[in-house]
Amino acid sequence: AQKVTQAQTEISVVEKEDVTLDCVYETRDTTYYLFWYKQPPSGELVFLIRRNSFDEQNEISGRYSWNFQKSTSSFNFTITASQVVDSAVYFCALSEATGFQKLVFGTGTRLLVSP
Amino acid sequence: SAVISQKPSRDICQRGTSLTIQCQVDSQVTMMFWYRQQPGQSLTLIATANQGSEATYESGFVIDKFPISRPNLTFSTLTVSNMSPEDSSIYLCSVESPNSGTDTQYFGPGTRLTVL
Repeated sequence: AQKVTQAQTEISVVEKEDVTLDCVYETRDTTYYLFWYKQPPSGELVFLIRRNSFDEQNEISGRYSWNFQKSTSSFNFTITASQVVDSAVYFCALSEATGFQKLVFGTGTRLLVSP
Repeated sequence: SAVISQKPSRDICQRGTSLTIQCQVDSQVTMMFWYRQQPGQSLTLIATANQGSEATYESGFVIDKFPISRPNLTFSTLTVSNMSPEDSSIYLCSVESPNSGTDTQYFGPGTRLTVL
């Protein structure tokens, strides 16, 4: 069975600090996708990134970067120079790469960035 | 990505009543999904809805409680039947990107349901 663990329930940082959100997953599939979504206080779920299990290259997008390590089954998300607008709940998710893509979500990490 | 809208955005309902939530997409998509997010919790898949076939429900969810319609490739409804306070949640629909092969789900803005 697939499982996603986000051990950090809540993280509080001061603006401009760097912060890393941890994600550990379990799956028996050899091919799968990993995702990060952001849920701001307004409630909508915003897609941030998708990573294929065959692609272990790290990715950087502006202040966001993701570190995927199959050896430790982790897909961590780092925000550099955090801003108040980054305050949200962040969800890591996993899906099979075949058939319909049922997403299995972690429990989420609430990030609070104070000025 | 697809533009997804949901109606209503929020509602307060009485115990024992039913509410139908609509999900509209601005492009044709094969698969639509319905998720539930209970207060302070993560998202759980309720069912998958393909156009022209019966919805496929996840363990713990049944058609009598959450009937789903999928009349065409841009629209779906989820009904929450005979509601109780435990049904108070955010209900979100999602679609796979209409660009084949991207395998990414995009979500609607959600419907916040409170049952008294």
